Amino acid sequence: DAGVIQSPRHEVTEMGQEVTLRCKPISGHDYLFWYRQTMMRGLELLIYFNNNVPIDDSGMPEDRFSAKMPNASFSTLKIQPSEPRDSAVYFCASSSAVDRGLHFGNGTRLTVT
Amino acid sequence: AQTVTQSQPEMSVQEAETVTLSCTYDTSESNYYLFWYKQPPSRQMILVIRQEAYKQQNATENRFSVNFQKAAKSFSLKISDSQLGDTAMYFCALKYQGGSEKLVFGKGTKLTVNP
Repeated sequence: DAGVIQSPRHEVTEMGQEVTLRCKPISGHDYLFWYRQTMMRGLELLIYFNNNVPIDDSGMPEDRFSAKMPNASFSTLKIQPSEPRDSAVYFCASSSAVDRGLHFGNGTRLTVT
Repeated sequence: AQTVTQSQPEMSVQEAETVTLSCTYDTSESNYYLFWYKQPPSRQMILVIRQEAYKQQNATENRFSVNFQKAAKSFSLKISDSQLGDTAMYFCALKYQGGSEKLVFGKGTKLTVNP
């Protein structure tokens, strides 16, 4: 069974550019999460979905961030315009109502110069 | 609000020895889940072990076991027979049972296993 798949693995972009991160959850999982990891703030939940519906987006830092889940097998996190302080590792994770443990993807390391 | 505290930023242990990582948490809920995750240098987050708060028996997964003290709100991880591959960041995490699916993480403990 394939795990959570994220792309790209690394992204380097210039300030002001749009960045789109992608995630494919584990098949059958009905929860999807986007986390951000930095040295200063650790792991922070940005948003999570249940059955493709956003449930809690209180962690989304500002309007520059948006997330979508058009179907059960795909989600995107978009930053527009990007800023240097957005540099971090962004993780996607999924879980099911039965198995409460989160299964993480390998993360996307974003660098904004 | 839920909080998770890992008071040991870094620890080290000799190969084959035993090490215990500490974690305390604060929640007003009575039903919740606790987790330990491992993040090696590859940065992948790997679930090590989980504990349901309603279970009194401590969870065990091979060389990994926990000491869950519900009244003290403590959830420590014991690694027996440490191996070089155990070198990683370890994160303690808490989630309500029911309600929000939000998983709250501690800041992590960097564990180094020395040969």
